[in-house]
Amino acid sequence: DIQMTQSPSSLSASVGDRVTITCRASQGISKFLSWFQQQPGTAPKSLIYAASSLQSGVPSRFSGTGSGTDFTLTISSLQPEDFATYYCQQYSTYPWTFGQGTKVEIK
Amino acid sequence: EVQLVESGGGLIQPGGSLRLSCAASGFIVGTNYMTWVRQAPGKGLEWISVIYSGGSTYYADSVKGRFTISRDNSKTTLYLQMSSLRAEDTAVYYCAREGLVGAIKYWGQGTLVTVSS
Repeated sequence: DIQMTQSPSSLSASVGDRVTITCRASQGISKFLSWFQQQPGTAPKSLIYAASSLQSGVPSRFSGTGSGTDFTLTISSLQPEDFATYYCQQYSTYPWTFGQGTKVEIK
Repeated sequence: EVQLVESGGGLIQPGGSLRLSCAASGFIVGTNYMTWVRQAPGKGLEWISVIYSGGSTYYADSVKGRFTISRDNSKTTLYLQMSSLRAEDTAVYYCAREGLVGAIKYWGQGTLVTVSS
């Protein structure tokens, strides 16, 4: 199975900060990578697909880069509604796998 | 508008069976892949199964042989038949649908399955 490792596991940041989350795959997955945001007690929300494409309706402060094994999710200017847990997921190879999550908390 | 609504969760004893349903609206089930993802209490997301428009299915090793994904196109419903349930199957189960390019885009609100005696 392909292991997805996110770093950091958690971070504290302030409104307006630039935040970067890293996701590393244990083997190459081309650009078959998605990012999701999950608020407590709610379903995940899809943010980015194909490593760098923004889902419709997602604010442009979110961006994704990478291919192969190394990927990043960047929030250019953190907003109050962005405090949540973020997951990466590979859909290159079965079984599809998720990272362990990165919790973004208020500093 | 695409909507997914799960149902069928509840408390079930170890070894028991349960069928989850995911009612879809705003599209025809069978035109995109649909998938189940679960989340144990306080834990991360775990993919468990997918069914493609052509009927191909895939499963995580943790549920293979115990869970079966299916759909009823005429009723626009996705199912997950779960058997030989274990305590570690306790989770919120989400159904989700593909977007336009092979990635998950749409999510239901989830249904909680608790396996306990």
